[in-house]
Amino acid sequence: EVQLLESGGGLVQPGGSLRLSCPASGFSFKNYAMSWVRQPPGKGLEWVSAISAGGNLYYRDSVKGRFTISRDIPKSTLYLQMNSLRAEDTAMYYCARRAHDDGGCFDYWGRGILVTVSS
Amino acid sequence: EVVMTQSPATLSVSPGERATLSCTASQSVKTNLAWYQQNPGQAPRLLLFDASTRATGVPARFTGSGSGTEFTLTISSLQSEDFAVYSCQQYNNWPLTFGGGTKVEIK
Repeated sequence: EVQLLESGGGLVQPGGSLRLSCPASGFSFKNYAMSWVRQPPGKGLEWVSAISAGGNLYYRDSVKGRFTISRDIPKSTLYLQMNSLRAEDTAMYYCARRAHDDGGCFDYWGRGILVTVSS
Repeated sequence: EVVMTQSPATLSVSPGERATLSCTASQSVKTNLAWYQQNPGQAPRLLLFDASTRATGVPARFTGSGSGTEFTLTISSLQSEDFAVYSCQQYNNWPLTFGGGTKVEIK
């Protein structure tokens, strides 16, 4: 059974940093692309960042230079380092597996972790 | 960026009736489109991918169609567990983008 479990969220002041983690199990982590998707309160889903199975990195424009996606293959864990956080980064953050090594839809999702940026 | 537009924003339907949801892309995404269902306080769940292929365990009452820029999700006979928010998403171009969602509520 595929399992994804986000952690590391919480309340942070504007300009602060957080590191989200997502340990994965139930599949061969190194063979799949992974992503972070967020959902601001009461709003729709928004893709944030992705890493392909080959290690290529992708970001939405609004987080480029501030967020860094990475993975630890031996630990089967996906990370999102978030720096210079802004109020508009407040959202539920989901870790999601992509269906293929280089893309596809999001076939499995974690339960999400809340990030609140506020003074 | 490919903008995904869903309509209507809210759909009021009686149990047992058919629901038809639309998703329009601002440029062709071929059939690289997925539909997700989301209940309050829960993570999204994949329903359909490649525009019309049901994900594992998804009931046959969920049907997807379309290609290019126009897509439709049809729920043939709404069950109580189907009242939720449905979002479409394209994976043909970077950045990956989602529609704003359609809330299917009980009439």
